[in-house]
Amino acid sequence: ETGVTQTPRHLVMGMTNKKSLKCEQHLGHNAMYWYKQSAKKPLELMFVYNFKEQTENNSVPSRFSPECPNSSHLFLHLHTLQPEDSALYLCASSQYLGTSGNTIYFGEGSWLTVV
Amino acid sequence: AQSVSQHNHHVILSEAASLELGCNYSYGGTVNLFWYVQYPGQHLQLLLKYFSGDPLVKGIKGFEAEFIKSKFSFNLRKPSVQWSDTAEYFCAVNAGTGGFKTIFGAGTRLFVKA
Repeated sequence: ETGVTQTPRHLVMGMTNKKSLKCEQHLGHNAMYWYKQSAKKPLELMFVYNFKEQTENNSVPSRFSPECPNSSHLFLHLHTLQPEDSALYLCASSQYLGTSGNTIYFGEGSWLTVV
Repeated sequence: AQSVSQHNHHVILSEAASLELGCNYSYGGTVNLFWYVQYPGQHLQLLLKYFSGDPLVKGIKGFEAEFIKSKFSFNLRKPSVQWSDTAEYFCAVNAGTGGFKTIFGAGTRLFVKA
């Protein structure tokens, strides 16, 4: 049990589909993140939210649309994806953003395959 | 741009062998350093972290890492690995110059032969 729960764990979608990834954290944290994990590449930071406000969009294509309705929930809406978007998408949280020494806690990830 | 380099992408060791995984980063100034581990089928979890003080940091499961500021390095070590250490290991850096974003390396896959 990580304190950060992601659903679904596996998702297969066509390039014309619209789907969403969901993340919920039970740690009372104020910052939430989406990372993309692809084989043989560093973890890529996609989006950062702090107290529900987006503070970072790391040049992510608009076919990925995040939503953070409150500090405990984070969504990643997906539409018209490409096969190269297939990857493990990791949600994470931390108590604060921008505080020295912050430790990030990860969910188990959502495996996305775009066909 | 900020970056974290892990020099070994794949490492294969026999049980009881010693382990050292390299990590270098490209920032100056104050940094906070982390090693995360991802066991097969499990989530990324914190192995150890350095914020300040003693540059030799002890973590869980017998791991340790040494921060060498002059070399911009934070290498992970374990004197004697076990089969259960088979996992992927990620070095990460959180720096004031980067707005305290945590940036990860590409990871090192360790396979320990029983």
